[in-house]
Amino acid sequence: KQEVTQIPAALSVPEGENLVLNCSFTDSAIYNLQWFRQDPGKGLTSLLLIQSSQREQTSGRLNASLDKSSGRSTLYIAASQPGDSATYLCAVTGGGNKLTFGTGTQLKVEL
Amino acid sequence: GAVVSQHPSWVICKSGTSVKIECRSLDFQATTMFWYRQFPKQSLMLMATSNEGSKATYEQGVEKDKFLINHASLTLSTLTVTSAHPEDSSFYICSAREERYNEQFFGPGTRLTVL
Repeated sequence: KQEVTQIPAALSVPEGENLVLNCSFTDSAIYNLQWFRQDPGKGLTSLLLIQSSQREQTSGRLNASLDKSSGRSTLYIAASQPGDSATYLCAVTGGGNKLTFGTGTQLKVEL
Repeated sequence: GAVVSQHPSWVICKSGTSVKIECRSLDFQATTMFWYRQFPKQSLMLMATSNEGSKATYEQGVEKDKFLINHASLTLSTLTVTSAHPEDSSFYICSAREERYNEQFFGPGTRLTVL
């Protein structure tokens, strides 16, 4: 059974700081990995999707990497802003196109 | 990107009543939709996979008679919580799989509160 873990569970940083969120998964047989953002009481916003054959994806200040063999992904956020405050979820797509979500990292960027 | 809607966005009901939640893919067809539930401060847990024209596949521990799923068309799946009880109160989120890119797009979620 796939298990996805995210570290840290919570993170508080000052505005402008670069930061890294970590995601690890136990079964490397995945089709892709996605990073999502979730604001309180809201649905999910997809940030980046990395196919299993890819190593990284970039969008604006966000960069996600994938090391499938070691079961790890990182989300790098450059020059963090208060508007980046949210919960970040990683999820892997496995057999049956099922997504398994991580435990989430709650990020707070302070002025 | 592809858009998925859910209706209602929130609902409050009395214990023992049934509640129907709709999930629609607005600009693409989806043969497969997924239903998740999320408890406060927890991650999303897959409840079931909804396949157009066939029965849903439920995850272990999810009661199919409690959570009825109907995927009647390529753009609509419904989740009915039957005889709801306070422990069913949760945030329910659906997703629809866009087959060309093998990517799931998520609805905004439905907050269910059972009194």
